[in-house]
Amino acid sequence: AQSVSQHNHHVILSEAASLELGCNYSYGGTVNLFWYVQYPGQHLQLLLKYFSGDPLVKGIKGFEAEFIKSKFSFNLRKPSVQWSDTAEYFCAVLRQGSSNTGKLIFGQGTTLQVKP
Amino acid sequence: EAQVTQNPRYLITVTGKKLTVTCSQNMNHEYMSWYRQDPGLGLRQIYYSMNVEVTDKGDVPEGYKVSRKEKRNFPLILESPSPNQTSLYFCASSSRENQPQHFGDGTRLSIL
Repeated sequence: AQSVSQHNHHVILSEAASLELGCNYSYGGTVNLFWYVQYPGQHLQLLLKYFSGDPLVKGIKGFEAEFIKSKFSFNLRKPSVQWSDTAEYFCAVLRQGSSNTGKLIFGQGTTLQVKP
Repeated sequence: EAQVTQNPRYLITVTGKKLTVTCSQNMNHEYMSWYRQDPGLGLRQIYYSMNVEVTDKGDVPEGYKVSRKEKRNFPLILESPSPNQTSLYFCASSSRENQPQHFGDGTRLSIL
């Protein structure tokens, strides 16, 4: 079965620490990749997306992610986190060229807690 | 303002009593989708719609129905709710299936 795996379920960092959240998927074809963030009590918002081209994509609020096709990975990074980054982060994969083109699969989510 | 509106935001009901959660978007988006969010499981897609009168199952469609009679509306119907459908539900829309989705504020359902 197609799946998206986020390795870290709960991450605790101090302010100014660097962040890397892992995301791996199991589909071998062409994919569109997304990272969404959900701040406490709010709905999901897009952080960044990858469709094609440069595998290093930059998003809002200083976040970036690198698509490594050979590793089926799309890890999220931020050089220096802030307390306001405390949220839940979701990786999502949309498969292209499959019979279920519109099916978006989310990872389980990673809760990030940043201590001031 | 571009938005996805869900109603109700909160609902407590009993097993077997049919309910409908409405979803409406004002962005003329073709693609709409329903998700449920459960702790430790992330978001799981229930149903999606590529356009009017075109709907398809996501990963967890059992116990749910949808319809897409108009472009802006995509209601989620629970014909006979059960306690395992207690969850936080999100509706989302995008211009096309491969574009970033705009999410509603969520509907918290409790089925007793």
